[in-house]
Formats: sequence, structure tokens, C-alpha cells
Amino acid sequence: DGGITQSPKYLFRKEGQNVTLSCEQNLNHDAMYWYRQDPGQGLRLIYYSQIVNDFQKGDIAEGYSVSREKKESFPLTVTSAQKNPTAFYLCASVRADTGELFFGEGSRLTVL
Amino acid sequence: QKEVEQNSGPLSVPEGAIASLNCTYSDRGSQSFFWYRQYSGKSPELIMFIYSNGDKEDGRFTAQLNKASQYVSLLIRDSQPSDSATYLCAVNMGDSGYSTLTFGKGTMLLVSP
Repeated sequence: DGGITQSPKYLFRKEGQNVTLSCEQNLNHDAMYWYRQDPGQGLRLIYYSQIVNDFQKGDIAEGYSVSREKKESFPLTVTSAQKNPTAFYLCASVRADTGELFFGEGSRLTVL
Repeated sequence: QKEVEQNSGPLSVPEGAIASLNCTYSDRGSQSFFWYRQYSGKSPELIMFIYSNGDKEDGRFTAQLNKASQYVSLLIRDSQPSDSATYLCAVNMGDSGYSTLTFGKGTMLLVSP
């Protein structure tokens, strides 16, 4: 079945550590996105990529980095520079003809 | 600042009633509108999208769009306890399918048996 796979589902990090969240899609979508969700909040855009080897900052890119070396993969690194990284992270890709976002199951990061 | 506004709720309705969820957006040039449902701890899933003014029906769900008023709503008929979730309104404020979606903070719906 086509879809988006995120890993890990749960991750604990000590302060000062970088962590990388994986996102893989087999939907053959060109554009991929990373969103962050905090309790009681909507989704906020971190980074997005419309084609391989290109990506743009979203609304809250500080303290995060991404790469897009393959169409299928869009990993997100949460760096030690991110002041408040505890959140639910959602990866998505878009169906270009409708604009519909397809989401992965999410990764929940907790900083200890 | 491009914004999407929703009442945070919770909106409480009895089983079998109609639930009405509302959303306003700031960008008059917005082209496409989406409603997602999100259960606690899970990722959002698409309920439906609407592009044109008027109503669009899909089963128990009806999306209504009024671009002049910059208003989009979701009606859920015959509400079920399983409909209890947070409903996110999302608006594409760009001009292509690759444009980013701006999300509201969501409205929590509680359907009581």
C-alpha cells in the first residue's frame, strides 16, 4: 500500500543532542513537508521541498535542518539550537492535482 | 499575515444531532479548502476538500464555502460518538498544488451517546 512512513514513533532526547526523524513516501509525490504540532495548537510548517535537492524554510525553521537527496525521502534533523523541541512532528506529501496533504503517523519527540 | 481561524471548542452535541464547524480565513485569493479530522495522538486524515462556492456533500459530511465572506464550514449529520475528534480547517493560499497549507488550531468535537 502507498503511504508515508515516519520513524521513530517515539523518541527521547537529552538536551544538547541532535536527532534525526525519518520520513519516506512511496506515493511518487514531488512535494514533501514537515509540520510541528504542540498541544492544543494547529500545525506549523517547518520546512518543505518541492523537488529533489531543493527545500524552503517554513514559518518556524530555526533550529531545524532538512535534506532532500531522493524523491522518496525527506529527513528532519532537530538540532540542539531548537529551544523547545518537545512536540509531535508530522511529515506529509502533497497530491499535486488536488493539493491534498497525506500525512505519516507522526513522531513524538520528548526532551528530557 | 495569512491566518485561518477556528473556534477551539469543545463543541458538544448529542448523538444523532448535526454538528456545525466553522472556519474563517484571511487571504481573499485562497483557492482550495480542506477539512481534516484528528483523533487524539494520531495524525490528521482528510475528510473532504472544496474549491467552489456552495455545498459539497460526501456521506454524512457537507462542506460549505462562501468566498465572499471568506468562510468555510463543515456539517456532520447524524453525529456519532466516533466523530469525537479535533477538526482542522486548512486553506491553500497559493496558486498551485505545491503551495503550502495554512492550518487553523482546530475545533474539538464531543459527541455524547
